[in-house]
Amino acid sequence: AQSVTQPDIHITVSEGASLELRCNYSYGATPYLFWYVQSPGQGLQLLLKYFSGDTLVQGIKGFEAEFKRSQSSFNLRKPSVHWSDAAEYFCAVGARIGGSQGNLIFGKGTKLSVKP
Amino acid sequence: NAGVTQTPKFRVLKTGQSMTLLCAQDMNHEYMYWYRQDPGMGLRLIHYSVGEGTTAKGEVPDGYNVSRLKKQNFLLGLESAAPSQTSVYFCASSYSRTGLTDTQYFGPGTRLTVL
Repeated sequence: AQSVTQPDIHITVSEGASLELRCNYSYGATPYLFWYVQSPGQGLQLLLKYFSGDTLVQGIKGFEAEFKRSQSSFNLRKPSVHWSDAAEYFCAVGARIGGSQGNLIFGKGTKLSVKP
Repeated sequence: NAGVTQTPKFRVLKTGQSMTLLCAQDMNHEYMYWYRQDPGMGLRLIHYSVGEGTTAKGEVPDGYNVSRLKKQNFLLGLESAAPSQTSVYFCASSYSRTGLTDTQYFGPGTRLTVL
């Protein structure tokens, strides 16, 4: 069965430091991978997505993610974190849930805190 | 262009009461979804719809019903609310007919407490 694992429940980094959020997936076919961000009290917003091609994808707000098939990973990175990046981050894989219908399977999320 | 909107934003129910959550989108999307978000659980799909007049069960459908009478609206109903249904409910929509690769656009959520 398809699944997404985000090993870190909560991460704290200092403002200006680099960030890497981990995501591992389990999916039999070519995965379609997404990172979403949820600011406090808000809905989810798409940061970036990977379907094929270049394994390093760029997203909004200075984020990037690298797809590594050999490690079944899709880690999210940012070279310099800003206080406004404090939020919860969700990794998701697009999976078929019936016939041709697709949907997203979400990880449990990683909460990011930023120290001044 | 409002995107995805949800009504109400907050609600408190007593056990056994019923209510309907309304989701509306103005992007002419075919697919619509209802998720619930619980601490430490991420988002779990309750029901989804691939078009007007069609609905299907997701991962956690028990205790919920849905209807999609108009393309732009997707209603989630709780017939007899239970404390286990205390959660934050998110509606989302996407354009693609495959639904596999398209971005899902989320509403701001409805925080529901069942006492």
